[in-house]
Order: sequence, then structure tokens, then C-alpha cells
Amino acid sequence: KNEVEQSPQNLTAQEGEFITINCSYSVGISALHWLQQHPGGGIVSLFMLSSGKKKHGRLIATINIQEKHSSLHITASHPRDSAVYICAVTKGTASKLTFGTGTRLQVTL
Amino acid sequence: NAGVMQNPRHLVRRRGQEARLRCSPMKGHSHVYWYRQLPEEGLKFMVYLQKENIIDESGMPKERFSAEFPKEGPSILRIQQVVRGDSAAYFCASSRENTEAFFGQGTRLTVV
Repeated sequence: KNEVEQSPQNLTAQEGEFITINCSYSVGISALHWLQQHPGGGIVSLFMLSSGKKKHGRLIATINIQEKHSSLHITASHPRDSAVYICAVTKGTASKLTFGTGTRLQVTL
Repeated sequence: NAGVMQNPRHLVRRRGQEARLRCSPMKGHSHVYWYRQLPEEGLKFMVYLQKENIIDESGMPKERFSAEFPKEGPSILRIQQVVRGDSAAYFCASSRENTEAFFGQGTRLTVV
């Protein structure tokens, strides 16, 4: 079993919809990261969080340490949000990441 | 302040050749991480280096792969005698001590 699990694997939404991507982990962590990867593109860090909630534009990330669960929300989704969203965790003091398998999001007009 | 720079962006090698992938970390970052993304698979950790030291190489294949991060110059991931199964995207990330890591654009290696 992977240490980091994401759901769903694939997600299709219409423009304007509210989107939620979930991440569960089974190990003790120092931080949880949400990353974005466009097809053929690089990896962009969206959030790093160890507690509570963070918001950046239309993106919101939450984490529940007791339940070992995090969610990434996208409000008013847009086709340019189409990408793979990856949950990853760091353990201990190093910044080495352990990744989930990613959620492929397609937002259509 | 330039981001993490990887080069080349795309690299084609014939089976049996050597591949050298370079990563220049962000200014002030002394920690470098290499990750591999095989086609249709998730990202996997390969190696973690600090200047002149390999800290964690638990994700490196036992043979043909090596990494260095010299005192001067970029970090290098070296793959000797490449095989088709080495075709992947290789990402580098850098960080300061105990801080968020930033990724480069990746090097896409194709072995023909």
C-alpha cells in the first residue's frame, strides 16, 4: 500500500464547477504539499501546509492531521486548471518528497 | 532570482550511451533532490545531495546511475549504458535547510 493515496485518479468537470481532490497518508509527516503538473510541463508547488487551511486565488488546501487527510479545492474551475495535481509529503527534517500517484483533472467548456 | 535550471530539457540517447543531466539549484539553496517520473507513473525519489555529499541515495538503481553535487557547478545525474527502460522525465528540486523545495522544468530522456 502506498504511503500517500489520492482520489479520484481522474476527474472531469465543466467550467465553473467546484472541484475537490483528496489525499490520505499513512505515515507521520512534517508537511504536506500540493503540486501541479501540466502535460509535458514542469512541476509547480501550489501549497505546503502542516496544519489548518491555506488559500491562494481560487485554490484552497486543507489538512486534518488527526485524520491524516488533506483536500485541494478549486472554485470556479476553468479549462486552464486542467493538469495533474499531485499530493506529496515530507517526513522528518529533510525536504525529500513521497508522492501520491496524482489526479488528472480535465475541465471542459 | 532564477529558479531551478535543468538542462537539457530534452535528451535523446542510443542504447548503451551515457546520459548526463544537469541541475543548477536556486541561489542560496544547498540541498538538491532528483526524482524520476516513468511514463504513466508517479514521481519517485532517487537521491538527495548537499554540497559534495550524498545524503540519501535509497531511490537510486544499484547500477549505472550516479549523482554528484560538487562544491562549484551544477548537480549532475549520470546514467551509464542507457537502456530503453531509462526513458523518463527526470526532475530536480532544490531547497534551503528544512524549507520548501522548488522544482526545475525537468529533463525528458528518450532512449532509442
